[in-house]
Amino acid sequence: DAGVTQSPTHLIKTRGQHVTLRCSPISGHKSVSWYQQVLGQGPQFIFQYYEKEERGRGNFPDRFSARQFPNYSSELNVNALLLGDSALYLCASSLPPGGGQETQYFGPGTRLLVL
Amino acid sequence: DAKTTQPNSMESNEEEPVHLPCNHSTISGTDYIHWYRQLPSQGPEYVIHGLTSNVNNRMASLAIAEDRKSSTLILHRATLRDAAVYYCILRDVWAGGTSYGKLTFGQGTILTVHP
Repeated sequence: DAGVTQSPTHLIKTRGQHVTLRCSPISGHKSVSWYQQVLGQGPQFIFQYYEKEERGRGNFPDRFSARQFPNYSSELNVNALLLGDSALYLCASSLPPGGGQETQYFGPGTRLLVL
Repeated sequence: DAKTTQPNSMESNEEEPVHLPCNHSTISGTDYIHWYRQLPSQGPEYVIHGLTSNVNNRMASLAIAEDRKSSTLILHRATLRDAAVYYCILRDVWAGGTSYGKLTFGQGTILTVHP
């Protein structure tokens, strides 16, 4: 079975631009989470979506938004890019979330460089 | 979120056991202990999780202290492929609101395996 896929793998943007990152979850998984990983640090939680609704949100500005589609794939949008948005963006999918035991399966990430 | 503390780095020789410690003195009774690892240039990967009892799977063993204030991830025979950053994460079974589905990653332990 295919794992979590993300596109594109790499992206270069300039300050002020916007970017859309895409994620396809494992077949049968209905929950998608997004994380930002700055070089040298652990991933930081941005959003979780389940059944097309935002269920969890991390401490990120409103420039960050996401949505989930009927096929459970997801997009992460970042507006007005800043240099500090340069990072690896990770998508993770899981079965219905909650309960403390669910396992999240991560994709390989999209590496975004903002110049 | 309850906090975990891990050593910044550890080293091991190939085919020897590795014990990766994690302190979580503020753990609550409803926190599951999860371990993920991140190999170079990849997204994090689930390793194991537990609540109170020691757990084994094909990848590793998890030893949980009786008072649950610490745990140890055990790799029984380290291989070069086990070189990664290992993250110890607490997940509340009742996590809700904006923390729904959130994994809180710390700095993790960088494991180096020598041939």
